Amino acid sequence: AAGVIQSPRHLIKEKRETATLKCYPIPRHDTVYWYQQGPGQDPQFLISFYEKMQSDKGSIPDRFSAQQFSDYHSELNMSSLELGDSALYFCASSFGRSYEQYFGPGTRLTVT
Amino acid sequence: DQQVKQNSPSLSVQEGRISILNCDYTNSMFDYFLWYKKYPAEGPTFLISISSIKDKNEDGRFTVFLNKSAKHLSLHIVPSQPGDSAVYFCAAILNAGGTSYGKLTFGQGTILTVHP
Repeated sequence: AAGVIQSPRHLIKEKRETATLKCYPIPRHDTVYWYQQGPGQDPQFLISFYEKMQSDKGSIPDRFSAQQFSDYHSELNMSSLELGDSALYFCASSFGRSYEQYFGPGTRLTVT
Repeated sequence: DQQVKQNSPSLSVQEGRISILNCDYTNSMFDYFLWYKKYPAEGPTFLISISSIKDKNEDGRFTVFLNKSAKHLSLHIVPSQPGDSAVYFCAAILNAGGTSYGKLTFGQGTILTVHP
């Protein structure tokens, strides 16, 4: 069965650079969620989209922005990167109001 | 402020025995709970969930119990298998029937090791 696809899987950036993470949800899933997992921490919710509209917002820094496109894929744009942004970034998708979210493999971002 | 807590960082169990993973929460507005399993270098995999209107949900070897008055839930795995060795996260959804589109609040995770 098709799963959530995230690209790239690994990304190394320097401080103050910009990064773009991409997420392709499971086919027919219309809701996308972004989570950040720091080293030794639990995943923290960043932002979600339903039918291309932002539906909920968590602890996402102002330096980050995200959107969901007409084909339901989503991109997380991160600017002025800081060392503390180094983390695993997970994307999850679900269909409509289903509570079960299906996660992608994550993008490991390292800021040096 | 950790609203979902898994107080046991790790659990070691013999193959064939029962694994019991515990989770406590502080916010009484949480009304839907999920368990995820995570292997290294992979995303969390959905295992089982339970609504706050129930006290038990079963799926094969996995059973989740919810005690609302104690704000406590547990995941039972019977019988445990070596392939179950992974990190297990408890997660909760606030006001699942309202405007929330399923934002998950996670616990810190418990590392389960099942020995052959």
